Amino acid sequence: QVQLVESGGGVVQPGGSLRLSCAASGFTFSSYGMHWVRQAPGKGLEWVAFIRYDENNKYYADSVKGRFTISRDNSKNTLYLQMNSLRAEDTAVYYCAKVRTPSGTYPEYFQHWGQGTLVTVSS
Amino acid sequence: DIQMTQSPSTLSASVGDRVTITCRASQSISRWLAWYQQKPGKAPKLLIYKASSLESGVPSRFSGSGSGTEFTLTISSLQPDDFATYYCQQYNIYGFTFGPGTKVDIK
Repeated sequence: QVQLVESGGGVVQPGGSLRLSCAASGFTFSSYGMHWVRQAPGKGLEWVAFIRYDENNKYYADSVKGRFTISRDNSKNTLYLQMNSLRAEDTAVYYCAKVRTPSGTYPEYFQHWGQGTLVTVSS
Repeated sequence: DIQMTQSPSTLSASVGDRVTITCRASQSISRWLAWYQQKPGKAPKLLIYKASSLESGVPSRFSGSGSGTEFTLTISSLQPDDFATYYCQQYNIYGFTFGPGTKVDIK
């Protein structure tokens, strides 16, 4: 079955960097677009970034554009989120999520989610 | 960006009640709307996609309707496992946005 396991979270100082990983299994990773979604403590869900299955398109929320970079290594079945210039408001649980349709070229919802990894930005 | 609103923000109900949550989009999103359920400390779970399509494995007491800018999620007979927070989400365009959530708690 589909399994998504995030890692790389932790405590980082404002202005610092962190790279999150999402290890995928149970499906053909290279065929599916992937998202990062975050949730600040006690708050709602916020979409962060999307990467198409073939890496040809990437999209970002305005709140992270220019600071975060989404990437993937299809040979390692792994999704990444490089986070630079971190701010206190980036503190959240970060989830990776998979779309439903293989080789999709249009926006789609989040069918499967990982369990999340907590990022805390604090001095 | 498309803004999503939900009402009510909190809903107190009893087991067996029929529950309806409303989601509104700031512009037409056709039927590109999904609903998720989230329990404390857990990842969200997909319930409904394309406004009214039930995700595999989701109980049939959950249903969705609507198009354009107004949508509803209905739970026909609330069960103990359904006490949770529910979010709508548009996927009409990249720049996906979620509603603020509706918490369903025990009356």
